[in-house]
Amino acid sequence: EAQVTQNPRYLITVTGKKLTVTCSQNMNHEYMSWYRQDPGLGLRQIYYSMNVEVTDKGDVPEGYKVSRKEKRNFPLILESPSPNQTSLYFCASKLGGSGGSQETQYFGPGTRLLVL
Amino acid sequence: AQSVTQLGSHVSVSEGALVLLRCNYSSSVPPYLFWYVQYPNQGLQLLLKYTTGATLVKGINGFEAEFKKSETSFHLTKPSAHMSDAAEYFCAVDGYGNKLVFGAGTILRVKS
Repeated sequence: EAQVTQNPRYLITVTGKKLTVTCSQNMNHEYMSWYRQDPGLGLRQIYYSMNVEVTDKGDVPEGYKVSRKEKRNFPLILESPSPNQTSLYFCASKLGGSGGSQETQYFGPGTRLLVL
Repeated sequence: AQSVTQLGSHVSVSEGALVLLRCNYSSSVPPYLFWYVQYPNQGLQLLLKYTTGATLVKGINGFEAEFKKSETSFHLTKPSAHMSDAAEYFCAVDGYGNKLVFGAGTILRVKS
């Protein structure tokens, strides 16, 4: 089954304790992205990757890191989480390449993070 | 720059009534427009999208949307609401290929 998977689905942590949220897709997509969803703000892009070893900042990158060493994986790293990073996080992927803007992004199930 | 405005953070309709969720966009490049639905505790699922061609787009679950360039709108409609339509709906635009810009979302409530 074609899908985007995220782990963990739920996470409670404390301020300053480094954490990683994994994202994996099995559709051979070039493009992957991370969004955070907050009430009343919709989804905002954190980082994206157009291909392996190619990453770039989105609209709200502060406090986050990413890496793209393999095509299928795009982990999100919070090196020193703070309470304002409490949110619902979504990973997404699409085919990428020349198709660009009109391609559908497929979303993972979400990771709900609480930083105390 | 791109932006999306969804009018009405909450919309309530009776079962069987027309559903109308409003979306206006701003884009400096030709936009590609999307509607996603999010059911409680789930991820986002694509309802429909406009890329090029026919401006009336049909999606899943009986939803459709019309792209109106002159009004910069992409409103979502469904002739008859079902209880199962209760969810949050997001309109989004992608003009550059590197991200979706989302509206704030509209929560649809369906009353029996």
